[in-house]
Amino acid sequence: EPEVTQTPSHQVTQMGQEVILRCVPISNHLYFYWYRQILGQKVEFLVSFYNNEISEKSEIFDDQFSVERPDGSNFTLKIRSTKLEDSAMYFCASSDLLVPTYEQYFGPGTRLTVT
Amino acid sequence: RKEVEQDPGPFNVPEGATVAFNCTYSNSASQSFFWYRQDCRKEPKLLMSVYSSGNEDGRFTAQLNRASQYISLLIRDSKLSDSATYLCVVGGRDSNYQLIWGAGTKLIIKP
Repeated sequence: EPEVTQTPSHQVTQMGQEVILRCVPISNHLYFYWYRQILGQKVEFLVSFYNNEISEKSEIFDDQFSVERPDGSNFTLKIRSTKLEDSAMYFCASSDLLVPTYEQYFGPGTRLTVT
Repeated sequence: RKEVEQDPGPFNVPEGATVAFNCTYSNSASQSFFWYRQDCRKEPKLLMSVYSSGNEDGRFTAQLNRASQYISLLIRDSKLSDSATYLCVVGGRDSNYQLIWGAGTKLIIKP
């Protein structure tokens, strides 16, 4: 069964450093997403991406964040200058727009720890 | 008012019992509805989409009540492996792509 993959599984970084989280969505999917989940809290939408551009973003997704699809398979989330409050699980998801229910399938997540 | 509201639980249920969760959503224009399950420190996994006519998948039944703006999930003959947090998810107000997540209901199935 096709699945979304993410690397690394755990990233530890110092405050102020840049991090890049990587995702490989399901190959025939067209929409890509990033979510975050702070420990013990609910899943929060960050951004959606389609046709090589951002289609929607939340208030959380400020100028410190950027996304890119550098090639035909990878989808990345960059945090330019990490803050302590960026510590969370970051989930990538993808969906096939042809499926009318827009079901999104999640990767296993990257745990980001900012020290 | 929270956009998607769930009872956080935990629901402690004996194995074999039937358990039901409800979820309410605030935006009457929402178009898509889902139940996801999340195991501790794992990614959310799609359990089922929720259709207007209601739908069933094995031991799981989902219902949507648009008039009252709530979604339900019924689990029959619960198994130990059903222990997880169940997340109610609604297609966003202004788009079909942004999902709005409930905080989840924790279910613990006891032997």
